[in-house]
Amino acid sequence: DGGITQSPKYLFRKEGQNVTLSCEQNLNHDAMYWYRQDPGQGLRLIYYSQIVNDFQKGDIAEGYSVSREKKESFPLTVTSAQKNPTAFYLCASSIDTTSGNTIYFGEGSWLTVV
Amino acid sequence: AQKVTQAQTEISVVEKEDVTLDCVYETRDTTYYLFWYKQPPSGELVFLIRRNSFDEQNEISGRYSWNFQKSTSSFNFTITASQVVDSAVYFCALSESYNNNDMRFGAGTRLTVKP
Repeated sequence: DGGITQSPKYLFRKEGQNVTLSCEQNLNHDAMYWYRQDPGQGLRLIYYSQIVNDFQKGDIAEGYSVSREKKESFPLTVTSAQKNPTAFYLCASSIDTTSGNTIYFGEGSWLTVV
Repeated sequence: AQKVTQAQTEISVVEKEDVTLDCVYETRDTTYYLFWYKQPPSGELVFLIRRNSFDEQNEISGRYSWNFQKSTSSFNFTITASQVVDSAVYFCALSESYNNNDMRFGAGTRLTVKP
């Protein structure tokens, strides 16, 4: 089945550690995105990538890093520099970044700092 | 700057009631796109509908209907004869004419349908 797969679903991190969230899509989409969702708030864009080997910062990129070495994969690393990393993270993709193209989402990853 | 407001934080209804979720947006663009997504407890955002700014025709899909009114900058979502499976958080989103990386989401409305 075509779709977006995120792993792990739940992740616990100790303070000071970096963690990487995986995102894989088999929709043949050029564009991929990472969003953060906090309780009672909408989604906020962390990073996006329009094409392989290219990515751009979104609204809240500080403390995060990404890579796009393959079209199918867009992993997100939450670094120790992220002051408040506990949140729900959603990976998404679209055909390209042209406005109006539907963005499709994965099932998300819960990150908790302990 | 574009903005999406979903004033209803939580709504609770009894099964079979009709319910309308409000969405008000702000944009200076004449070309833009509006979306509704459903987020069930599993977490994934499920795409429901996309509407462009030049198409004000209302849309119906089964028990779901959408009312787009440019005059009031609103894109409201109505569920007719609600069911327990409709319980979820619903997000309205706006994408302006240049690119999707500036898509703005409302804060969401949590709908609970009680049996």
